[in-house]
Formats: sequence, structure tokens, C-alpha cells
Amino acid sequence: NAGVTQTPKFQVLKTGQSMTLQCAQDMNHNSMYWYRQDPGMGLRLIYYSASEGTTDKGEVPNGYNVSRLNKREFSLRLESAAPSQTSVYFCASRRELADTQYFGPGTRLTVL
Amino acid sequence: KQEVTQIPAALSVPEGENLVLNCSFTDSAIYNLQWFRQDPGKGLTSLLLIQSSQREQTSGRLNASLDKSSGRSTLYIAASQPGDSATYLCAVKANFGNEKLTFGTGTRLTIIP
Repeated sequence: NAGVTQTPKFQVLKTGQSMTLQCAQDMNHNSMYWYRQDPGMGLRLIYYSASEGTTDKGEVPNGYNVSRLNKREFSLRLESAAPSQTSVYFCASRRELADTQYFGPGTRLTVL
Repeated sequence: KQEVTQIPAALSVPEGENLVLNCSFTDSAIYNLQWFRQDPGKGLTSLLLIQSSQREQTSGRLNASLDKSSGRSTLYIAASQPGDSATYLCAVKANFGNEKLTFGTGTRLTIIP
């Protein structure tokens, strides 16, 4: 039981490049989330998916797209990376009718 | 707009001492409050969750309290150990069905052996 896994762990991009952050969970959770964590700021919700086939915007969705590929996987795509997207990105999942979210180890992204 | 504040940003205490971490929030109309632990380079681990109708929750050496009317929560750690060194974050949820958690920026705790 690996919980929530994220790939890659680290990534450096140049401005304008694109990339997809991958997230998978093996806990059969319905809800999945993408957050970003920046120094001096609390974690902020980018997008979430309440169930397979649905996605919704969170607090800071601009510049990102997501795909809920199946119940296990939820990916975050940066189409044209900007330095302001330099951050640590966390994926999380939650069982239906429960409040606790389970977090992955994060992806540290630097955009030059 | 809900704002969550955690002061101090960093705290160092000798091993064995009891300590209290603070969390304050501006809007008292919350559904629940959670305390998380984050180790360097790792994700968050949920420690305790308090529903709005509850006053406290306990797990081992940890006790979290909630005072909605004053917009405050505390995390009490008894008999601190070096393994307790981590960043502790609190987060509030506005209402049932609202997926957004509002996080504080955390308190970085160092336990000195």
C-alpha cells in the first residue's frame, strides 16, 4: 500500500516549457486534489476532483489544467510554465464521507 | 475571506518539555479544523481533526483544542521528543461540501536533545 505517489520529485523548466505532474493513489479514494506550497504562504488549492470524470477549480487555477484519468490518477499540466509557478506541488486524496486528506511527498518545481 | 495565522513561525524547546502551538482564524463559522505535521521534503500527515461541535481531540501525547467563538485552536504536545521536530500546520474547512481548506503557514518546531 503505497498511499499517494507523485512523479517527478524534482523538475527544472525554462519559461514557456510544458510539463505534466503525475499523481496516483491506491486507497480507492474518490476525491483528489492538487495544492501548491510557497514560502510564507499556506497551501493553496489549485484544482480538485470529487470523483472520476469531474474536475473543479480551486483557489489558484490560472495557468494549470488537470485530468482525472481514472479513479487512481490525477495529473496536473502546466502548458506554458512561468517563474511564478516555481513552487512545491502536493497531490492529496480523500475517502468519500471522510475529512482527512492523505498527501503525497510533493514535486519541487523550479521555472527559470 | 478566511485567514489562518500561526504564531510563532519557529519555536525551539528542550526535550521533555510540554509545549503549545497556536492557530487563529478570522471567521468563526468553520466546519472543522485539522492539525497536520510536515517533515522536511515530505508531504503532510494529518494528526488531529476537530469538528466544529467538539472542544478537543486527543491522540497519544497530542491534544488539540478548539474555541470557535474566539477563533483559536491550540495543539498541546506533552513530554516533547526530538522526533517531534517538524513543521505543524493547521487548516480550517468552511462547511460541509466545500472542498477548500484554508491553511496557516505553520510553526517550525525544533526539539533540542
